[in-house]
Amino acid sequence: EIVMTQSPATLSVSPGERATLSCRASQSVSSNLAWYQQKPGQAPRLLIYGASTRATGIPARFSGSGSGTEFTLTISSLQSEDFAVYYCQQYNNWPGLYTFGQGTKLEIK
Amino acid sequence: EVQLVESGGGLVQPGGSLRLSCAASGFTFSSYWMSWVRQAPGKGLEWVANIKQDGSEKYYVDSVKGRFTISRDNAKNSLYLQMNSLRAEDTAVYYCATTIFGNWFDPWGQGTLVTVSS
Repeated sequence: EIVMTQSPATLSVSPGERATLSCRASQSVSSNLAWYQQKPGQAPRLLIYGASTRATGIPARFSGSGSGTEFTLTISSLQSEDFAVYYCQQYNNWPGLYTFGQGTKLEIK
Repeated sequence: EVQLVESGGGLVQPGGSLRLSCAASGFTFSSYWMSWVRQAPGKGLEWVANIKQDGSEKYYVDSVKGRFTISRDNAKNSLYLQMNSLRAEDTAVYYCATTIFGNWFDPWGQGTLVTVSS
C-alpha cells in the first residue's frame, strides 16, 4: 500500500498571504495525484488532478506541482473561503488501492 | 446539474447489515466508474470500493473485503453498497463519488452517516 503523508498537520496563514501544503508518497506515484478541499459539514471538492491540472471552476490562485514522491499545493493569495482541510490522494494503483493523506488543516492566523 | 444523493445510513448494531444507495442525475451514469469513500468522525478520507461502468470489475479496500459488496443499476442511475457484518470501526460518513477515468473523485455526494453501535 502506498502511504501518503501530508505536512504540516495544521498551517496558520493570514488572509492575502501564500500557503504551501506538502504531500509525500511512500513510493513513486508519477503524476497520479489529486488534491481536495473539504469545509466543515461538506463533502470534499476536487481541486487538482494529474498533480497540476486545475479542475473545472477552480480559481487560478490554486496550483499544484511535483511528481514522483513529492507534491505541493500552493494557494497564492488566501481568501476567507480557502480556510479548510486539504487532502491529497494517489491513484497510481488504478483501478483500486487509492489512498489519501491524513489532511492539512489551513486555519486563519 | 450533476448530482449524487446518498441514502440508507443509520444506526445499526455490531454484526448487522445496511444497504446504502446513491442516486445519480445530470450526467451519463453508465459511462463512469463509481466509488464509495468513507470518513470516520473527525478523521480523514478512506476509499472503500469502486465499480466499473458495466459492473464487470469491482475493487475493495482490504478492511471490507468479504463483508461489503458494491453494485450498480445503470437503468436506475443508482449505485449501492451492501454492508454486512458491520463493526464499530465502520462508523463513518459514506460518500459516493464519480470516479473520472477510474482515478480521481469528482463530484461527491453529500454523504450518509452510518453508526455501528450497541
